[in-house]
Amino acid sequence: QSVLTQPPSVSGAPGQRVTISCTGTSSNIGAGYNVHWYQQLPGTPPKLLIYGNSNRPSGVPDRFSGSKSGASASLAITGLQPEDEADYYCQSYDSSLSVVFGGGTKLTVL
Amino acid sequence: QVQLVQSGAEVKKPGASVKVSCKASGYTFTNYYMHWVRQAPGQGLEWMGMIDPSGGSTMIAQKFQDRVTVTRATSTSTVNMELSSLRSEDTAVYYCARDREPGSTSPGYWGQGTLVTVSS
Repeated sequence: QSVLTQPPSVSGAPGQRVTISCTGTSSNIGAGYNVHWYQQLPGTPPKLLIYGNSNRPSGVPDRFSGSKSGASASLAITGLQPEDEADYYCQSYDSSLSVVFGGGTKLTVL
Repeated sequence: QVQLVQSGAEVKKPGASVKVSCKASGYTFTNYYMHWVRQAPGQGLEWMGMIDPSGGSTMIAQKFQDRVTVTRATSTSTVNMELSSLRSEDTAVYYCARDREPGSTSPGYWGQGTLVTVSS
């Protein structure tokens, strides 16, 4: 049972827009801690996709965007492409002095 | 460029201990926290703990507090994670990951991963 809750799977056709939610509590996201997002392709380490709720590291396409409101956050992917098919994880910090991850969401590009 | 190179795969028996190392290069080692994250087969990411390489202080997830030790060697820019009393459920890929920026608690650079298999 992960501290942050994500849907197990989402899907979309090429060119469409999808969103992945990440729900926390008043001890992590709701406490004001930043949310970060990672993309993991099969057999590879996770890659930082969004940091500080809505910032993209250099090299990440602007098709990826993040937002946060209250105790929840979202990752949006527009103009879906086949290479976006991957697992996506949200991550934050908890006032129990712990880094916490969501359970992960598998994105399928139809 | 930032590089994190981890030690090779391990096979251990239940009850044994394993030590995974992570050698950092391409940046000032003492300026960035280093995290350890594991991923069991087909499962999600699980944070285990982190170390401040400048002073050696650690923060370990409650679940692992009695079994995980994280240390660093500043002379070789290496962080080590030792997991004791291994059980089959500890079979996983173990990653070291450096903070994206000092104190950010957002791992921005990851090692290649080390597969630890626990089997009798």
